[in-house]
Amino acid sequence: NAGVTQTPKFQVLKTGQSMTLQCAQDMNHEYMSWYRQDPGMGLRLIHYSVGAGITDQGEVPNGYNVSRSTTEDFPLRLLSAAPSQTSVYFCASSRGTGDPYGYTFGSGTRLTVV
Amino acid sequence: GDSVTQMEGPVTLSEEAFLTINCTYTATGYPSLFWYVQYPGEGLQLLLKATKADDKGSNKGFEATYRKETTSFHLEKGSVQVSDSAVYFCALRITDSWGKLQFGAGTQVVVTP
Repeated sequence: NAGVTQTPKFQVLKTGQSMTLQCAQDMNHEYMSWYRQDPGMGLRLIHYSVGAGITDQGEVPNGYNVSRSTTEDFPLRLLSAAPSQTSVYFCASSRGTGDPYGYTFGSGTRLTVV
Repeated sequence: GDSVTQMEGPVTLSEEAFLTINCTYTATGYPSLFWYVQYPGEGLQLLLKATKADDKGSNKGFEATYRKETTSFHLEKGSVQVSDSAVYFCALRITDSWGKLQFGAGTQVVVTP
């Protein structure tokens, strides 16, 4: 099925470890983004990309890196995990600025940092 | 900046009851408005949308009307089912960006048989 695929679904990290959350979409969407979801705070934008080779920071970028070498993939890297990064992470994509259908979301990665 | 405020939950209802979830927003310009639904253990799914004032979005028995005069986009359903138990997010597309979404905190809805 077409959509946004995130891996892994669950991950436990120790403080200071690094890892990459994978996100891939097969809808040829230009725009991709990463959100984190925390209780009572809704979803907050971490980083986004308007096309291959172009990325920018969102609302809460500190501690995260991204790159966009292809249209399909938009990985999120945690350089040195901290307990404050315990959260559920969602990747989302859309066709463009004027996309009336909003975003398509992946099923999420639940990350725990101990 | 642009922001979304929605009523806190959880909202607990009996099956076939009427559901309203309040959502108000502040924004410069004229944002598009969305309701997303998140079922347990899943990602967010677009439920409905409205792109201009007085538009009514509808889907799966849910409705919401874009009210510019009250800056609101309240979600309603006339008769809920147990399967409607989920977290509902109101969101707006920030008008001065390429399309970033600003989300409310989410409202959990629990429907009991």
